[in-house]
Order: sequence, then C-alpha cells, then structure tokens
Amino acid sequence: KNQVEQSPQSLIILEGKNCTLQCNYTVSPFSNLRWYKQDTGRGPVSLTIMTFSENTKSNGRYTATLDADTKQSSLHITASQLSDSASYICVVSSGGNQGGKLIFGQGTELSVKP
Amino acid sequence: NAGVTQTPKFRVLKTGQSMTLLCAQDMNHEYMYWYRQDPGMGLRLIHYSVGEGTTAKGEVPDGYNVSRLKKQNFLLGLESAAPSQTSVYFCASSYRPRSRTGPGDTQYFGPGTRLTVL
Repeated sequence: KNQVEQSPQSLIILEGKNCTLQCNYTVSPFSNLRWYKQDTGRGPVSLTIMTFSENTKSNGRYTATLDADTKQSSLHITASQLSDSASYICVVSSGGNQGGKLIFGQGTELSVKP
Repeated sequence: NAGVTQTPKFRVLKTGQSMTLLCAQDMNHEYMYWYRQDPGMGLRLIHYSVGEGTTAKGEVPDGYNVSRLKKQNFLLGLESAAPSQTSVYFCASSYRPRSRTGPGDTQYFGPGTRLTVL
C-alpha cells in the first residue's frame, strides 16, 4: 500500500534554532517528492520538489534531502523564525503525476516560540 | 493574479441539506482538484478534472459530485450533507504535465472552505 509517514507529529522549538522533519514513504513507482508549508487557515504552498536523481534541494533557509534507496526524505530548517510556525506536509508522486497519484503525509506541526 | 480562490470560506449545514462549493483559478491551468483535510490525516483527493468538461473520481468520492463546465471553474456539490462530511475542503490546480518523466506540476491550493454539518 502506498503510504507517506511523517515524524514527529508536532515539534516546538525556540526562535533561531534549527530543526529537521522526517518523511518515510512506501510509494511505487516513485516520481517525485515535494514538501509543502501550510500556514494555519491557509492552503499548502510548495517549498521544494525533488526527483529520483536529486539528493538535496534548497529554498532559502529550507533544505530538503532525499534518499531514494531508503525511501526517506528530510526537511531541515535553519535559524528558525516565528513565521516558520506551520504544518509541513510531505507529498510523494507516483507515476506521471496525473490526478489521483499524489500521496500526502499527515504533516508535522511546527511551532516556533520566541 | 488572484491564483486559486474558493467560496464560501465557512459554512454550517444541517444533515440532509445540499450545497455547492465554488473554486476558481486564473492561471489557465488544465488540471483542477478537490481535497478534504481532516485532523491527523493527510489531504485526500475527492474528485479531479484533467480539462474542461471532464471529471474523475479520486480516493474518497462518495457523497460528492463535481462539474467543470468552464476551464477556470471547478464545482464541488454535496447533495445530502452528512456529519461525516464535516471537514476543510481545498481546491487546487496545476498545469498539464509536459512529460511523464518530468517532475510534473506543482499544485496551487486555494485558502480552503471550512464546512460543518450538524
């Protein structure tokens, strides 16, 4: 069964600290992996996308890694800011990314405290 | 560009009532999607459309109907609402993928509609 599992479920860190969110998947065939950020009361917004051949992708203070062998991805946030407080969703695409082929993780709720 | 917009933002229904959620996008995207998001669960696809006049079932289509009469609009209907349909509904859109081996399309999401069925 195609699944995407994220950990931890929730995380609280102090402003300025770094953190790493995890995503494990059992999706086949694999096409790509995305990380989305979802602010409270808003829709998800894409942060990064990685295909099978990419190991790492950065977007400002966000760095995503992908290990296709172990089927794991991580999202590292550097020097966290209060505005990083949000839910982070890992999404794996199977096949040609047509409708119905995206598998969503349940998200990690990150809270950054001053 | 407004991107993806959804109306209404909030709605409370009684069991058995019907309603339609409207999604509009101004990015000329071919693909449109309706998802529901429930606490502790990932987004789940209800229905989707690969172009004007076409619709298809997603992961959890029961109790919902959709229509794509115009390219820019995608409507989600609940004919007889049930408490199990209490959720936050998100619409999304994307370009048609250029190739099957490419990274595919990023989906752009609307702000969501919070629906409560009593």
